[in-house]
Amino acid sequence: EDKVVQSPLSLVVHEGDTVTLNCSYEVTNFRSLLWYKQEKKAPTFLFMLTSSGIEKKSGRLSSILDKKELFSILNITATQTGDSAIYLCAVNTGNQFYFGTGTSLTVIP
Amino acid sequence: NAGVTQTPKFQVLKTGQSMTLQCAQDMNHEYMSWYRQDPGMGLRLIHYSVGAGITDQGEVPNGYNVSRSTTEDFPLRLLSAAPSQTSVYFCASRQILNSPLHFGNGTRLTVT
Repeated sequence: EDKVVQSPLSLVVHEGDTVTLNCSYEVTNFRSLLWYKQEKKAPTFLFMLTSSGIEKKSGRLSSILDKKELFSILNITATQTGDSAIYLCAVNTGNQFYFGTGTSLTVIP
Repeated sequence: NAGVTQTPKFQVLKTGQSMTLQCAQDMNHEYMSWYRQDPGMGLRLIHYSVGAGITDQGEVPNGYNVSRSTTEDFPLRLLSAAPSQTSVYFCASRQILNSPLHFGNGTRLTVT
């Protein structure tokens, strides 16, 4: 059974802290791993990773994939209150995407 | 560009009623899909389509029907609503095989 597991389930930090969110997966036909940010409404796309060891970076956010150990991490440095959201990890196996349950991040001023 | 548009935003049904959730995209995406999001369960795939006239089941298809008569539209039908179908429903599309999903803003459905 294909599955994606995220940890921790929730996290509360202070502004300026650095956080690391984890995503591990077991799927039969890996194509790519994606990270999304979900605030009140639709998930919005952050990163797509297909190759091991190549860091993707956008501002204070970065992500990396390890296809040997079957996991990815999402780092957020110098957190701001606007980073408060649920962060979703998904694995694409071709025509299907499998999502983790998400990590709820709360950033306190 | 509107992207992925879902209607309605909210809906309340009584058990046994039927309804259709609408989804339209204006990005000429071949692939469209429906997910439900429940607390503690994440997003789960209901049905998907790789092009007009082609649909297939996802993880949780029971109680739902879909059709794809045009590239733009992918409606989701609940034939006889049950309280277990209370959820937030998202429609999503993508351009090519290995590209990200683009999501609509969701429909919050309550079945009493």
